Amino acid sequence: GENVEQHPSTLSVQEGDSAVIKCTYSDSASNYFPWYKQELGKRPQLIIDIRSNVGEKKDQRIAVTLNKTAKHFSLHITETQPEDSAVYFCAATHIKAAGNKLTFGGGTRVLVKP
Amino acid sequence: KAGVTQTPRYLIKTRGQQVTLSCSPISGHRSVSWYQQTPGQGLQFLFEYFSETQRNKGNFPGRFSGRQFSNSRSEMNVSTLELGDSALYLCASSLAGMGTEAFFGQGTRLTVV
Repeated sequence: GENVEQHPSTLSVQEGDSAVIKCTYSDSASNYFPWYKQELGKRPQLIIDIRSNVGEKKDQRIAVTLNKTAKHFSLHITETQPEDSAVYFCAATHIKAAGNKLTFGGGTRVLVKP
Repeated sequence: KAGVTQTPRYLIKTRGQQVTLSCSPISGHRSVSWYQQTPGQGLQFLFEYFSETQRNKGNFPGRFSGRQFSNSRSEMNVSTLELGDSALYLCASSLAGMGTEAFFGQGTRLTVV
């Protein structure tokens, strides 16, 4: 089955700096890669996703890049703000008609210091 | 539009007991997935239901089971509870299959003592 590794497990950055989280996946058939943000005591919320037919996607201060050959994808947050402090999870799955199963990375706890 | 609703929010059970958790998806969503979240294991997939049928199953023992009703509401049941079952159980609903955004509920915090 799919296995997703996520690094680093914790990340501390100064407000205004950039943060980068990296994930690798094992199943070359995976073709959908969402990123979720989970604030303390709250539900995970999708912040951005990318499909395997795209190499990069950007939404304001966040961007995701995908390298299918190397089987890794990354989340980039620019101009970090204190409200970016949360746990971020990457996930991978193979879009198919027969199911909806996300395999998550272990999470990255991001702390943005003012 | 109401979000995904999970009940109850908190539960305390004794080892050996069983428990049933409920998830009401967003109106119109037909897919409901369940995940277990623990500090040590992260988010792990339990199973997914679509139109009352289990479409996908994770690597959990048979003590974990679920079902989905005709109105897309879903329940999961854990029998013979063990201390290691203490976790946050999250359900997520989506319109149809994969590639459509999964919206998570607030979760049910289960503590087994």
